[in-house]
Amino acid sequence: EVQLVESGGGLIQSGGSLRLSCAASGFIVSSNYMSWVRQAPGKGLEWVSIIYGGGGTYYADSVKGRFTISRDNSKNTLHLQMNSLRAEDTAVYYCARGRTDSGWVFDYWGQGTLVTVSS
Amino acid sequence: DIQMTQSPSTLSASVGDRVTITCRASQRVNSWLAWYQQKPGKAPKLLIYRASSLESGVPSRFSGSGSGTEFTFTISSLQPDDFATYYCQQYNDYSTFGQGTKVEIK
Repeated sequence: EVQLVESGGGLIQSGGSLRLSCAASGFIVSSNYMSWVRQAPGKGLEWVSIIYGGGGTYYADSVKGRFTISRDNSKNTLHLQMNSLRAEDTAVYYCARGRTDSGWVFDYWGQGTLVTVSS
Repeated sequence: DIQMTQSPSTLSASVGDRVTITCRASQRVNSWLAWYQQKPGKAPKLLIYRASSLESGVPSRFSGSGSGTEFTFTISSLQPDDFATYYCQQYNDYSTFGQGTKVEIK
């Protein structure tokens, strides 16, 4: 059974850093496209970042230069390093798996982890 | 950046109603469009991909159509479990979601 479990969220001051993790089971993270998608309180979904199976990475303009996506193949875990955090980064952060045939379509999602940035 | 606009933002309907949501892209996205359902406090769930392909395990009352810049999502007969917020997502150029359509009880 495919499962994604996020951790690492919390309350952080503006300008601070936080590292999110997403532990995967039931499939191999490095064999799939993996993304982070966030949702500000009461708002819609925003794609944040993706890492391809081959290791290529892409970011939304809103986080480029501040966030870094990575994975630990030995632990089958996805990470999101978030630096220079701003109030507008406050959101629930979901990790999501891309479909095998279309990596930008997200077929499994974690339960989300809340990041609150205080100004 | 490609902008996705859904209409309506809120929709009031009754069980058994046929429900249609429209998603418009600011640029052509071919058929690279997906639809998700999200319930309060839960993660989104994939329903439709490639504009009209039904995800495995999703009931056949859900369907999608369209290509280019205009897309439609339909629930043929609304069920109690379908009251939720629905999002379209383009993935022709990175990824952008629509602002969501909340389907509420009439």
